[in-house]
Amino acid sequence: GENVEQHPSTLSVQEGDSAVIKCTYSDSASNYFPWYKQELGKGPQLIIDIRSNVGEKKDQRIAVTLNKTAKHFSLHITETQPEDSAVYFCAASFAAGNMLTFGGGTRLMVKP
Amino acid sequence: NAGVTQTPKFRVLKTGQSMTLLCAQDMNHEYMYWYRQDPGMGLRLIHYSVGEGTTAKGEVPDGYNVSRLKKQNFLLGLESAAPSQTSVYFCASSDKRDVPQHFGDGTRLSIL
Repeated sequence: GENVEQHPSTLSVQEGDSAVIKCTYSDSASNYFPWYKQELGKGPQLIIDIRSNVGEKKDQRIAVTLNKTAKHFSLHITETQPEDSAVYFCAASFAAGNMLTFGGGTRLMVKP
Repeated sequence: NAGVTQTPKFRVLKTGQSMTLLCAQDMNHEYMYWYRQDPGMGLRLIHYSVGEGTTAKGEVPDGYNVSRLKKQNFLLGLESAAPSQTSVYFCASSDKRDVPQHFGDGTRLSIL
């Protein structure tokens, strides 16, 4: 089955700096890669996703890049703000499987 | 707009007891999911449903049963609770097959 590894497990940045979280996946058939943000005491929130026919996708201060050859994808957050502090999860799936495999999560702390 | 509502929010059980976790969504979504979240392991899919009256096994289904008698409700049952089932349980719903879009705020379950 699919295996998704996420790094780093914790990330601390100064407000205004950029943050990058990386994930690698094992199944070359995977073609859908969402990212979730989980605030303390809340459920995950889908923030951005990318499909394998696209190399990069942006939404305001967040972007996701995908390298299918290397089987890794990354979340980029620019101009970080204290409200970006949360746990971020990457995930991967292939269309016929209907099952996302999640990474272990990254705790992002943005220091004001 | 309530979104996805989970009850209860917290529960402590003794080994061998049974209980049912309730998930309700008000978005008329076809797809519903139950996940468990354990430290450092991301979220793992327990069971899911692709429509009223349907259920299917996910990655870690053993020890759990589910029912989807009404489209808006998805119930997760533990017939004989075990300490290994201590976890935070999240329900999610979606109008897309391969991506849980809306999560509830979770049920924190402890089995003693």
